[in-house]
Amino acid sequence: QQQVKQSPQSLIVQKGGISIINCAYENTAFDYFPWYQQFPGKGPALLIAIRPDVSEKKEGRFTISFNKSAKQFSLHIMDSQPGDSATYFCAASLSGGYQKVTFGTGTKLQVIP
Amino acid sequence: SQTIHQWPATLVQPVGSPLSLECTVEGTSNPNLYWYRQAAGRGLQLLFYSVGIGQISSEVPQNLSASRPQDRQFILSSKKLLLSDSGFYLCAWSRTGPYQPQHFGDGTRLSIL
Repeated sequence: QQQVKQSPQSLIVQKGGISIINCAYENTAFDYFPWYQQFPGKGPALLIAIRPDVSEKKEGRFTISFNKSAKQFSLHIMDSQPGDSATYFCAASLSGGYQKVTFGTGTKLQVIP
Repeated sequence: SQTIHQWPATLVQPVGSPLSLECTVEGTSNPNLYWYRQAAGRGLQLLFYSVGIGQISSEVPQNLSASRPQDRQFILSSKKLLLSDSGFYLCAWSRTGPYQPQHFGDGTRLSIL
């Protein structure tokens, strides 16, 4: 019940296209959903996060869509650029205590020119 | 602003040797601190977390231990490394309270020979 399922495992998108990564969770107690971007040899960096009382959050070219009833959330990268090529992790956490975070297994995105 | 430092960036150690990885956080007080391991192409596995000096909780039984001798210092140790300890080790911090994301260092690549 603590799992976060992420898909696809890898994704190739042409420059200028839309990249879409999907995540699903089971534990309805999760109340915070961050997305992280990781470049090779670096630690994950917080990209954008959403709380379940909001259905969508946009920051620049990055948008999180959240469907509480379906227990699903997704990351959309508009106008994808080669510099967006990285591994993306969705995550879900419980805000009590030490913020235990459950991470998805990651999506390796490659944006080709 | 807050920063997190991890060192060394890479480390090659023989089987059976000891290990000490250090992580320090600047610009915040009383952070929650975390150690993760990331296997190649895989997600993040939480190893230890700490909510205060001297308070360590282990998520998985293993050959490693953690200590927090100062408020913003977190150390990952082993007395005798195993081949299976190879991986990418990440330290992270978060503020206490709801809806606080974790922020990661740039990791240590540990290779056991």
